[in-house]
Amino acid sequence: EPEVTQTPSHQVTQMGQEVILRCVPISNHLYFYWYRQILGQKVEFLVSFYNNEISEKSEIFDDQFSVERPDGSNFTLKIRSTKLEDSAMYFCASSEVRDGPGRQPQHFGDGTRLSIL
Amino acid sequence: EDQVTQSPEALRLQEGESSSLNCSYTVSGLRGLFWYRQDPGKGPEFLFTLYSAGEEKEKERLKATLTKKESFLHITAPKPEDSATYLCAVRGGGSEKLVFGKGTKLTVNP
Repeated sequence: EPEVTQTPSHQVTQMGQEVILRCVPISNHLYFYWYRQILGQKVEFLVSFYNNEISEKSEIFDDQFSVERPDGSNFTLKIRSTKLEDSAMYFCASSEVRDGPGRQPQHFGDGTRLSIL
Repeated sequence: EDQVTQSPEALRLQEGESSSLNCSYTVSGLRGLFWYRQDPGKGPEFLFTLYSAGEEKEKERLKATLTKKESFLHITAPKPEDSATYLCAVRGGGSEKLVFGKGTKLTVNP
């Protein structure tokens, strides 16, 4: 069964450094998302991406964050200058457009655990 | 603002002991309610989508139902491998984001 893959599984970074998290969405999906989950808390939406542009973003997704689809298969999340509070599990997800984007489930990868020291 | 509240936070069952998990929601223009299963250290795994009140979906020992204010995930004769955290999420009108609850951590003892 097709799945969303994320690399690396664990990233340790010094505060203030830039980090790039990578995702390969399911191949026929056209909507892409990033979520994060701080330990013990809810899964929170960061950003959605469609047709090579951001379609929606949350208040968390400030100027320190950016997303990119550099080629036909990868989807990345960049954090420019990491803070301690960025430590979390980051999940990538993707969904089809069939029947309208709102009706299709989002399929998640297994996440990248980001630890900021 | 869309909100999802799940109860109980944790549930311990004996193998074969059926029960239900609750998801209460407030959303502007529900476009879908989604149930996911999350194992430790893993991402949410999609289980069901429900779109309108009265709808039901089944998969093996799980059945999800939906009313205008809440959804239930019924677990019939659970097995230890059903142990996981079950997440409920909603998507509201005009938005692409899923709003998640905190989840119910289910433990099924043999």
